[in-house]
Amino acid sequence: QVHLQESGPGLAKPSQTLSLTCTVSGGSISGGRDRWTWIRQPAGKRLEWIGQILASGGTDYNPSLESRVTISADTSKNQFSLNLNSVTGADTAVYYCASRGGSSGWSFDSWGQGTLVTVSS
Amino acid sequence: DIQMTQSPSSLSASVGDRVTITCRASQDIRNDLAWYQQKPGKAPKRLIYGISNLQSGVPSRFSGSGSGTEFTLTISSLQPEDLATYYCLQHNSYPLTFGGGTKVEI
Repeated sequence: QVHLQESGPGLAKPSQTLSLTCTVSGGSISGGRDRWTWIRQPAGKRLEWIGQILASGGTDYNPSLESRVTISADTSKNQFSLNLNSVTGADTAVYYCASRGGSSGWSFDSWGQGTLVTVSS
Repeated sequence: DIQMTQSPSSLSASVGDRVTITCRASQDIRNDLAWYQQKPGKAPKRLIYGISNLQSGVPSRFSGSGSGTEFTLTISSLQPEDLATYYCLQHNSYPLTFGGGTKVEI
């Protein structure tokens, strides 16, 4: 299993952009067929899949967020990032990065510890 | 989107009890179903993948079963450390979706 660690501001202002980075160790985001993923969880609510980036650079997003989300990768740093624009209070959540791959049955077997982002002025 | 409906949303049981949690998918998801345990303030931890495959290091009192649209997580003998919320995940089609969670109290 790889190790993932989220980083970024814990506070975002309404209408602005939330930006987070996930640093990966123990595996390469530019090799293999793994899916590098962002998931969020508002307090007391279910987990929500935001989207993923593949080694090829291809991305898939949740249609509910697609108009506001960009996931990108920096292979030189073995990091991938989340940008969510035009945020509101509804985007306040714990944000996790996670990975899944064919060797692990295609469900998430590695998770970061999570980082709380609060949207407030 | 595939809707994942979990039941019950919460339960209270005693140490040693057999506990069963159900997850129903709104359409056939084949064997693309996993179960997770989440303790307060922690990231989810995978227990079961591919419906019934036990994650390495997970106690054998956890088991999964089911097919198609109905799936079950069973804890054969509840232990104090099993206090947590449990979620199912379907990864058959995008967007991936999770169940609403089952909070297990002891």
